[in-house]
Amino acid sequence: DAGVIQSPRHEVTEMGQEVTLRCKPISGHNSLFWYRQTMMRGLELLIYFNNNVPIDDSGMPEDRFSAKMPNASFSTLKIQPSEPRDSAVYFCASRRLDYSYGYTFGSGTRLTVV
Amino acid sequence: RKEVEQDPGPFNVPEGATVAFNCTYSNSASQSFFWYRQDCRKEPKLLMSVYSSGNEDGRFTAQLNRASQYISLLIRDSKLSDSATYLCVVTVKSSGDKLTFGTGTRLAVRP
Repeated sequence: DAGVIQSPRHEVTEMGQEVTLRCKPISGHNSLFWYRQTMMRGLELLIYFNNNVPIDDSGMPEDRFSAKMPNASFSTLKIQPSEPRDSAVYFCASRRLDYSYGYTFGSGTRLTVV
Repeated sequence: RKEVEQDPGPFNVPEGATVAFNCTYSNSASQSFFWYRQDCRKEPKLLMSVYSSGNEDGRFTAQLNRASQYISLLIRDSKLSDSATYLCVVTVKSSGDKLTFGTGTRLAVRP
């Protein structure tokens, strides 16, 4: 089992550029979560999908953020345009809907916007 | 008020010490409770679930007090390898079992 795979591991970009973060959940997991972690605010849920359908996006900071899950094995989180305050570690996690304890996190993408 | 509150620490203890972390949660509808561990620059990983009756896993003991909306984690005989950030986590069934994290308590175990 390869686990939850996120790419890239690190991203440095200039303010105003578009950033796309990618996530491949564990095969068979049908619930996917995007979290953001900062020193000040800790881990915050941005959005989650069940069976590829967005269920709750109330944590998405603003219209500059968008997330998609076109199929069961792939999700993207896009920031356009990026700002320095978006600098954080972005984690993707997945689980089976019928097993609420079984979250697995990816290794995260460390984003720096300069 | 944050949904899940923890003392950020750091807790700096010698090897072999016993250390306790506390956590409070604000939503009385919270249903499931966990402690996660996060090493520096790594992803969070499940340490243990927390049950109303209390539960133990080796040197780790977790307790839940629903009336006070309080969760604790006790680590006995601390090891250097226990150095990490410990995250208190709750879920609310009506919110789709999504994990809500505390900001974490940092533990540093010294030789």
